[in-house]
Amino acid sequence: KAGVTQTPRYLIKTRGQQVTLSCSPISGHRSVSWYQQTPGQGLQFLFEYFSETQRNKGNFPGRFSGRQFSNSRSEMNVSTLELGDSALYLCASTLQGNGGETQYFGPGTRLLVL
Amino acid sequence: KQEVTQIPAALSVPEGENLVLNCSFTDSAIYNLQWFRQDPGKGLTSLLLIQSSQREQTSGRLNASLDKSSGRSTLYIAASQPGDSATYLCAVPPPYGGATNKLIFGTGTLLAVQP
Repeated sequence: KAGVTQTPRYLIKTRGQQVTLSCSPISGHRSVSWYQQTPGQGLQFLFEYFSETQRNKGNFPGRFSGRQFSNSRSEMNVSTLELGDSALYLCASTLQGNGGETQYFGPGTRLLVL
Repeated sequence: KQEVTQIPAALSVPEGENLVLNCSFTDSAIYNLQWFRQDPGKGLTSLLLIQSSQREQTSGRLNASLDKSSGRSTLYIAASQPGDSATYLCAVPPPYGGATNKLIFGTGTLLAVQP
């Protein structure tokens, strides 16, 4: 089975722009979670989608949004980019997301905001 | 608010040594605990998942234990190899169940195994 894939792998944007990142979960997995990783804050949870609905949300401003499609693929969008948004963005998938399951992570998208 | 701490922050050992990585959490009402490995600039690889009802899990040279009452987990790596060099992270869901995929990560331990 193919693992979690994320596109693009690298992105360079300038302040004020917006960006969309994509995540394709493992086939059959219905839950997709997004995380932001920075040297200063470590790994922080952004949001989780299950069956096209946002199920959980972290403490990030409204500039960060996401969605999930009927095939479980997910996208996250960041509008009005700030320098502090530079980070590695990781997504993870689980089969049902009802607890007790291993989360499988993708390779991440590295975003640099100039 | 759940907080997860890992000690030490960095560790360097010679090849072949057995080692222990520590993870502490402030709220013992966890549903499970996961250990991950992260290679530089890459995503996370799940190593072990321990349910709250379990005391330990083993996979090859790795053994993870969980003591909920003391808020601690340890990851034991036997006969370390240079290929084990990576950052090791532990993570728990918020206490009292519910958002089990909303993981709270520790600060990580950067391990270097010297050949």
